[in-house]
Amino acid sequence: AQSVSQHNHHVILSEAASLELGCNYSYGGTVNLFWYVQYPGQHLQLLLKYFSGDPLVKGIKGFEAEFIKSKFSFNLRKPSVQWSDTAEYFCAVNLPNAGKSTFGDGTTLTVKP
Amino acid sequence: DTGVSQDPRHKITKRGQNVTFRCDPISEHNRLYWYRQTLGQGPEFLTYFQNEAQLEKSRLLSDRFSAERPKGSFSTLEIQRTEQGDSAMYLCASSLQGDPKFGPGTRLTVT
Repeated sequence: AQSVSQHNHHVILSEAASLELGCNYSYGGTVNLFWYVQYPGQHLQLLLKYFSGDPLVKGIKGFEAEFIKSKFSFNLRKPSVQWSDTAEYFCAVNLPNAGKSTFGDGTTLTVKP
Repeated sequence: DTGVSQDPRHKITKRGQNVTFRCDPISEHNRLYWYRQTLGQGPEFLTYFQNEAQLEKSRLLSDRFSAERPKGSFSTLEIQRTEQGDSAMYLCASSLQGDPKFGPGTRLTVT
């Protein structure tokens, strides 16, 4: 069974700081990888996804993530955060053509203005 | 794309009562998923449908839980004899391929 580990439960940054949120998964085969964001009072939204190809994927709102297969990692990055990035971020994995996605427990990001 | 909708958004019930939630997926999506999320945790997979067929159920889905998608469109999730431990956010998602789009969820509180 797949599992997803997000290393940081709560991250606090000042505006303009750089962000990196860690995500590791356990599964030896081919996987699809996702980052979702949940803004306060809103539902889960897809930030970016990796299915295959270029391991550096770019998403919405200036976010990007890099898939490093040898490290089973899919870390999320943003060079300069804004107050509006305050939210909870979830990493998820599923198998190609499978239904179930496995989520990490999330990282709460607080950006101070 | 009108998004995934769920009804009701909030439900408060007494322990032992039955509750039913509805999910309307994005119209062209053939896959529909149910997840449960509790405070401080990520969504946990419950079950999923491809069209009207229920293809996978989690061990989390006890005998008190049942889900249907009778015509391959909307889905219902019923919880019988609710327990306080059932209090959670119940999320529905739908997809055509690999990236599920989530609805707003139904927050269940069992008193």
